Amino acid sequence: NAGVMQNPRHLVRRRGQEARLRCSPMKGHSHVYWYRQLPEEGLKFMVYLQKENIIDESGMPKERFSAEFPKEGPSILRIQQVVRGDSAAYFCASSPQRGGEAFFGQGTRLTVV
Amino acid sequence: AQTVTQSQPEMSVQEAETVTLSCTYDTSENNYYLFWYKQPPSRQMILVIRQEAYKQQNATENRFSVNFQKAAKSFSLKISDSQLGDTAMYFCAFMILGANSKLTFGKGITLSVRP
Repeated sequence: NAGVMQNPRHLVRRRGQEARLRCSPMKGHSHVYWYRQLPEEGLKFMVYLQKENIIDESGMPKERFSAEFPKEGPSILRIQQVVRGDSAAYFCASSPQRGGEAFFGQGTRLTVV
Repeated sequence: AQTVTQSQPEMSVQEAETVTLSCTYDTSENNYYLFWYKQPPSRQMILVIRQEAYKQQNATENRFSVNFQKAAKSFSLKISDSQLGDTAMYFCAFMILGANSKLTFGKGITLSVRP
């Protein structure tokens, strides 16, 4: 059973471009969480999704950020018109049920130049 | 809102010695979980240990154990017989039961194990 897979591991974007981060949860997991880690900081919750539904997006910036978890395929975190402040490590975690143990991917390090 | 505080930014320990990492939290909830995660240089977040707030007995996983003081809202991690592979950042985290199961993390502590 493969773990949570995130790709790419590293992503470089110029200011104003779009960044698309992908997360494939563990097999059988229908709950996905996205977290952002700024340098020297802990992880901050962004959004919680179940298949085809956004359950909690209280940690998502109101503009430029969106997330989806379609019926088929990976969960996508999309950042439009990236700015330098978006540079961070973005982690995805999946869980088989609400309140279950969260398994993390290795993260995507986004660098905006 | 829940907060998790790790006031020590870094610690160092000699190999084979014991080290304790501190964590305090603040919540008005009664049912929750507490966690310690390890993040080595590979950046992978690894669950070290988990404690259910309703359990009085402190959780133990091999060389890792916690001292959970619910009234004081304190949750420290003890690492016994430290190994070089324990060198990593350690994050304390909190999750409310029955809510959306999102984790609230502390800022982390960098632990270095010296040979």
